[in-house]
Amino acid sequence: DIQMTQSPSTLSASVGDRVTITCRASQSFSSLLAWYQQKPGKAPKLLIYEASSLQSGVPTRFSGSGSGAEYTLTISSLQPDDFATYYCQHYNSYPYTFGQGTKLEIK
Amino acid sequence: EVQLVESGGRLVQPGGSLRLSCAASGFTFSSYEMNWVRQAPGMGLEWLSYISFSGGTIYYADSVKDRFTISRDNAKDSLYLQMNGLRAEDTAVYYCARGLNFFDSWGQGTLVTVSS
Repeated sequence: DIQMTQSPSTLSASVGDRVTITCRASQSFSSLLAWYQQKPGKAPKLLIYEASSLQSGVPTRFSGSGSGAEYTLTISSLQPDDFATYYCQHYNSYPYTFGQGTKLEIK
Repeated sequence: EVQLVESGGRLVQPGGSLRLSCAASGFTFSSYEMNWVRQAPGMGLEWLSYISFSGGTIYYADSVKDRFTISRDNAKDSLYLQMNGLRAEDTAVYYCARGLNFFDSWGQGTLVTVSS
């Protein structure tokens, strides 16, 4: 099984900051990675798929990049609505697995 | 508007059984692959099971294989998860999620609590 490790686990930032979350896989694959945002008590929301494709309706301040075993999610200018927990997920092969999550907190 | 609504979660004793349902609307259910994903309290997301649009292809995570069974009824626009041999570690919010690879629509979740 492919293990996904996110860093950092917690990130404190301010409105307007640029932030980056990293997801490392235990083996390489070809961009078969998605990013989700989850707010407390709510279902996850798809942000990015195929490592860098923005899901319809998602603000353009969100972007994804990476290849092989290392992928990143970047938020170019944090907005108040962006404080949430973020998860990466690979879909290279079953079982699909998620990273442990990165909680983005207000500084 | 795409809607997925889970139901069936409740308190159940260890070793018990439960059947979760997911009612779909706002899209052609029979054309989409579906999944179950769960989240234990305060924890991350765990993919559990996949079913193809026809039901002919199914996959499970090792943690639920041989205990849980995914199924669908395209005539009723519904997805199901039959859970047997429930354990305390199965306590979680269970989500149904649409998609083959990544999940573009999720239900609101249904809480399953396994406790005596």
